[in-house]
Amino acid sequence: SQKIEQNSEALNIQEGKTATLTCNYTNYSPAYLQWYRQDPGRGPVFLLLIRENEKEKRKERLKVTFDTTLKQSLFHITASQPADSATYLCALPGGGYNKLIFGAGTRLAVHP
Amino acid sequence: DAMVIQNPRYQVTQFGKPVTLSCSQTLNHNVMYWYQQKSSQAPKLLFHYYDKDFNNEADTPDNFQSRRPNTSFCFLDIRSPGLGDAAMYLCATSSSGDQPQHFGDGTRLSIL
Repeated sequence: SQKIEQNSEALNIQEGKTATLTCNYTNYSPAYLQWYRQDPGRGPVFLLLIRENEKEKRKERLKVTFDTTLKQSLFHITASQPADSATYLCALPGGGYNKLIFGAGTRLAVHP
Repeated sequence: DAMVIQNPRYQVTQFGKPVTLSCSQTLNHNVMYWYQQKSSQAPKLLFHYYDKDFNNEADTPDNFQSRRPNTSFCFLDIRSPGLGDAAMYLCATSSSGDQPQHFGDGTRLSIL
């Protein structure tokens, strides 16, 4: 069955550094992949969508890569700030049209 | 601002006492979703509507039902809540299957 893996351990980094989060998937070939941010007690907020024919996508300090050979997406936040502290979820289409399968997310903590 | 609104933000009910959670949207999106999310876990899709077409996930308990009386509103009914149903319930919308999902801030359900 389709499976998404994100590092369950929190990522702690110093302000100003680049944070890199990983999303690995198995048993399918998604046409696209999405990243969301979730703050405690809030719903996820969409950040970026990258399609299978795109190697890289950027939005301000965010960069996402999508390697369909490795079955992996990397999510980078450059010049990280304490306000970037949150849980970041990746999501891929699966289980039928209109549906996404979410990873459990990786918690990022940016320390001043 | 166009958005997805969930009410109430916090709901406490007694074991076995029916409860209804509500969701409204001003985005005029065709697709509406209900997810269950437990602490440090991925959002788990319970069901979704494409317009009036209802799609139930195979592993969603019979205890959970939903209604979508019009484009803007969707309800989650839990007929006889058990302790294991305590969770955050998230409503989301999208314009179509391959588009980003827009989430409400969820309803945190507690069972006494």
